[in-house]
Amino acid sequence: GESVGLHLPTLSVQEGDNSIINCAYSNSASDYFIWYKQESGKGPQFIIDIRSNMDKRQGQRVTVLLNKTVKHLSLQIAATQPGDSAVYFCAESASGGGADGLTFGKGTHLIIQP
Amino acid sequence: NAGVTQTPKFRVLKTGQSMTLLCAQDMNHEYMYWYRQDPGMGLRLIHYSVGEGTTAKGEVPDGYNVSRLKKQNFLLGLESAAPSQTSVYFCASSLWRTTDTQYFGPGTRLTVL
Repeated sequence: GESVGLHLPTLSVQEGDNSIINCAYSNSASDYFIWYKQESGKGPQFIIDIRSNMDKRQGQRVTVLLNKTVKHLSLQIAATQPGDSAVYFCAESASGGGADGLTFGKGTHLIIQP
Repeated sequence: NAGVTQTPKFRVLKTGQSMTLLCAQDMNHEYMYWYRQDPGMGLRLIHYSVGEGTTAKGEVPDGYNVSRLKKQNFLLGLESAAPSQTSVYFCASSLWRTTDTQYFGPGTRLTVL
């Protein structure tokens, strides 16, 4: 079965509001997590990553939070813009794990309402 | 620096035909991957390569073959296409380990009739 999943397949937010996209993982050995953004008709684009020795990491308008206790990952997007509309995937991996590398979730579709 | 490029962008095949998808990267990455993406599903790994001259099976390798004759290129072949192989195919590369950040190409949309 899939070890990485998302709580909501679609998230609709108002332009200018903050967005929070959630991800649950089941492999307690996972120690590296990535968020990707995929716009319609394009390949996944790296947004931000975090390793298990951190709880929080910030980028430009994005923050990733990692809660290892409950195996939960979230992506926060501040002041969402129309260009943020996309499908967001989380991915996980265990550095000591097998050669399969990253395991991807199915994705959350973020819709920005004007 | 073009990153990861894929050719072709679109292709329509008839059942039983063969084709090769080409992936190229100019980032000097060691690892390269082929994924397929189907509606409502995440990315599934078909094959990957940990360096020039090497290939390995991923989660869904059946019906596909790959070759990595040059470090910068990774080819995905379908010897006898089936409708079940209708999908969007993405190539990716990473610097070293499979657990490093992977950078993706724009995708190839393949339809098998």
